[in-house]
Amino acid sequence: QVQLQESGPGLVKPSQTLSLTCTVSGGSISSGSYYWSWIRQPAGKGLEWIGRIYTSGSTNYNPSLKSRVTISVDTSKNQFSLKLSSVTAADTAVYYCARADGVAADFDYWGQGTLVTVSS
Amino acid sequence: DIQMTQSPSSVSASVGDRVTITCRASQGISSWLAWYQQKPGKAPKLLIYAASSLQSGVPSRFSGSGSGTDFTLTISSLQPEDFATYYCQQANSFPLTFGQGTRLEIK
Repeated sequence: QVQLQESGPGLVKPSQTLSLTCTVSGGSISSGSYYWSWIRQPAGKGLEWIGRIYTSGSTNYNPSLKSRVTISVDTSKNQFSLKLSSVTAADTAVYYCARADGVAADFDYWGQGTLVTVSS
Repeated sequence: DIQMTQSPSSVSASVGDRVTITCRASQGISSWLAWYQQKPGKAPKLLIYAASSLQSGVPSRFSGSGSGTDFTLTISSLQPEDFATYYCQQANSFPLTFGQGTRLEIK
């Protein structure tokens, strides 16, 4: 059973960089044809896809965030990571990592989510 | 971006009722549509993929239909554990986008 777990600071100051890591267990991040995504959800609001990475390192980003986002993968640690720069209060949200299987871009496994608050 | 519009935004229903939620895409997405259920404080759970395929382990009272721009999620007989928020998501093109959600409440 694949499990995903987000980790990282719960509080980030405005203008700084938000950094989160997703650790995958129950299977190798490199096996199969999986894409690994970050998705966020402000309190009481809907879901926003941030971007994704394949284990080859190829990425796709949401254009609305592309200038501030970097997603990377560390296959040796079975992890992938998110960096979001120049954060503001609008970036306060629960951040989820999730897996999509192959060509289909729907998400079959999710982490439990981690709340990141941007505040001084 | 492809806009996904769900209706209704909220619905009240009783245990045993049949409920249908609609999702409309701003442009054609073939059958690249998924449905998720989210309960408070939890991550979304995949229910339906490819518009009408039931994810493993999901009860058969959930079904999906549609193609192109118009899609529906139907719960044939509501159970107490089905009261949650439901989201559609297009998987046709980047950026991947979600509907605004439909909150299913107990009447």
